[in-house]
Amino acid sequence: KAGVTQTPRYLIKTRGQQVTLSCSPISGHRSVSWYQQTPGQGLQFLFEYFSETQRNKGNFPGRFSGRQFSNSRSEMNVSTLELGDSALYLCASSLSHSYEQYFGPGTRLTVT
Amino acid sequence: AQKVTQAQTEISVVEKEDVTLDCVYETRDTTYYLFWYKQPPSGELVFLIRRNSFDEQNEISGRYSWNFQKSTSSFNFTITASQVVDSAVYFCALSEHQMTTDSWGKLQFGAGTQVVVTP
Repeated sequence: KAGVTQTPRYLIKTRGQQVTLSCSPISGHRSVSWYQQTPGQGLQFLFEYFSETQRNKGNFPGRFSGRQFSNSRSEMNVSTLELGDSALYLCASSLSHSYEQYFGPGTRLTVT
Repeated sequence: AQKVTQAQTEISVVEKEDVTLDCVYETRDTTYYLFWYKQPPSGELVFLIRRNSFDEQNEISGRYSWNFQKSTSSFNFTITASQVVDSAVYFCALSEHQMTTDSWGKLQFGAGTQVVVTP
């Protein structure tokens, strides 16, 4: 069974731009969560989606948004990029919201 | 407030030595889940183990074992006979139930412990 896939793997953007990251969960998994990893703040939860509904949201500004499609694929969007948004963005999927999460390889975003 | 504390920043061992990673968590819930993940240099988080709060039985899985003690809010993880491939950052994580949305999907991670295994 294929694992979680994330595209693109690497991205370089300029301050003020916006970016969309994509995540395809493991087949059959309906829950998708997003995390941001930075050297200073570590791994921080962004949001969780289940059956196209956002079930949980972390403490991030409204510039960070996401959505989930009927096939469980998910996207997250960051608008008006700031230098501090440079990070590894990890997507994780699970069968349901109470099962272990399996992570993708991440998208490395660099904001210049 | 930090809910998961991994006090060890880095542990260096020689191959075949045992490595124990400490994890202390904080929660008011009676039902919760605890996890260990491994992050090798490639960056992908690899799921290792999950434990629910009602299951304090300590187990061994291959070279991995864990010690869950609710009385001290600790969930320690041991790698026996370490190998160079075990070199990675290891994260302990906590999942609590979000009642308003019936969600367990928010993992709260510790800062991680870098394990360096040299030949």
